[in-house]
Amino acid sequence: GAGVSQSPSNKVTEKGKDVELRCDPISGHTALYWYRQSLGQGLEFLIYFQGNSAPDKSGLPSDRFSAERTGGSVSTLTIQRTQQEDSAVYLCASRIQGAAVEQYFGPGTRLTVT
Amino acid sequence: AQKVTQAQTEISVVEKEDVTLDCVYETRDTTYYLFWYKQPPSGELVFLIRRNSFDEQNEISGRYSWNFQKSTSSFNFTITASQVVDSAVYFCALSLNNAGNMLTFGGGTRLMVKP
Repeated sequence: GAGVSQSPSNKVTEKGKDVELRCDPISGHTALYWYRQSLGQGLEFLIYFQGNSAPDKSGLPSDRFSAERTGGSVSTLTIQRTQQEDSAVYLCASRIQGAAVEQYFGPGTRLTVT
Repeated sequence: AQKVTQAQTEISVVEKEDVTLDCVYETRDTTYYLFWYKQPPSGELVFLIRRNSFDEQNEISGRYSWNFQKSTSSFNFTITASQVVDSAVYFCALSLNNAGNMLTFGGGTRLMVKP
């Protein structure tokens, strides 16, 4: 079946601009996660959505970062007023509810802030 | 807070050699999950295995095997008879048995298998 998809695959933006990254999870997966992979920080958790519950935003690095998940499916991660340190690969993952806790990752969006 | 350490940042082997990737974790929780993911040059993280903290049985899948030892807080990964296609970055990760199960990753080990 179809895996997690993300768009765009690459995004180059100027410092100070806003960007939106999209994630489409595996059908039927109720949990959705955003992670960031950068050279200096490795792989870091950003935010977690589960069903209709309030998201866990504990990993967001600043208030310039926000995310939403509409209809329990597609999610959008928004970065406002981008900075050069936001340059990274943004990874989305999803998992099915229940005992199977492994997460399945999308191909990522490579963000470059110039 | 939990932590995962992969002390080997880079390993280089010749094809057909066996190689072991080390993973050490820290957590105060008694129920947790451990994972290995593979990230080939294409970039996508591929799930390999999950172990539950209450199940210390080792596991073998083809050329891959995993050794989970709670006494040393380690979850090591061995590739037998390595192949060039095994070249990738391998990540060990931990999640707790809470509502989120978000992953805490190690720094990764880059494995290069030369022909």
